[in-house]
Amino acid sequence: SYVLTQPPSVSVAPGKTARITCGGNNIGSKSVHWYQQKPGQAPVLVIYYDSDRPSGIPERFSGSNSGNTATLTISRVEAGDEADYYCQVWDSSSDPWVFGGGTKLTVL
Amino acid sequence: QVQLVESGGGLVKPGGSLRLSCAASGFTFSDYYMSWIRQAPGKGLEWVSYISSSGSTIYYADSVKGRFTISRDNAKNSLYLQMNSLRAEDTAVYYCARTDSSGWYSDYWGQGTLVTVSS
Repeated sequence: SYVLTQPPSVSVAPGKTARITCGGNNIGSKSVHWYQQKPGQAPVLVIYYDSDRPSGIPERFSGSNSGNTATLTISRVEAGDEADYYCQVWDSSSDPWVFGGGTKLTVL
Repeated sequence: QVQLVESGGGLVKPGGSLRLSCAASGFTFSDYYMSWIRQAPGKGLEWVSYISSSGSTIYYADSVKGRFTISRDNAKNSLYLQMNSLRAEDTAVYYCARTDSSGWYSDYWGQGTLVTVSS
C-alpha cells in the first residue's frame, strides 16, 4: 500500500515561514490535500489539489508538489497556526485514501 | 452554512455492533460523496469508507472491510455507518465528512462521535 511520510514535528518562530513536508513514492504524480487540526477540533481542509485554497483559508497557506515530496508552506506564521497538519492522497492501490502520520506545528 | 452532526457513538463490548448517523444540512446532500474518517485517541487520521452521491460506488479500508457498511438516505440528508464485530482497535472518534465529487478529498467535517470498544 502507498505510504506518506511526514516529520513528527516542526517548530517555527512567529512571523517566519513554516514548511511541512509529505514524502511518498512519485507523489508528484498524485493530487495532495492538506488538513489542519487544532486540539479538540475536527480537521479543516487548508489545501486541495496540491495548491488550491478553500475559501476562508488565508493566502499565507500554500502548497506545492513535485517528485517525491509535497510541501505545505505557511508564511508569516501566527500563534493560531499551531496545530497538527495531515497530508492525504487518493491512491488506486489497496485503501483509496491514504493519510500521512501528521506533523505537529509548534509556534515558538 | 454546511453542518454535519454525527450521533450514535458510545461504549460497546468487543464483538458488538453500533450504528452511526450523520445529519447533513446547508448543502444539497445528494450532490456529494460522503466519507467516514476516524481517529484513535492520540493518533492520526484513518480513512474508513466513502460512498458516492447516488450510493452506487462504495469503498472501504481493508481494516473494516466485511465488518462495516456505509449507506446513505438522500431523502433524509443522512449518512450511516453500520459497525459489526467491533474490536478494541476500532475505538476512535468517527468523523463524517463531505467529500468532493471525485471522492478525492473532504472539504467539511463534522465534530465527530466517540466509539469505545471495551469489555
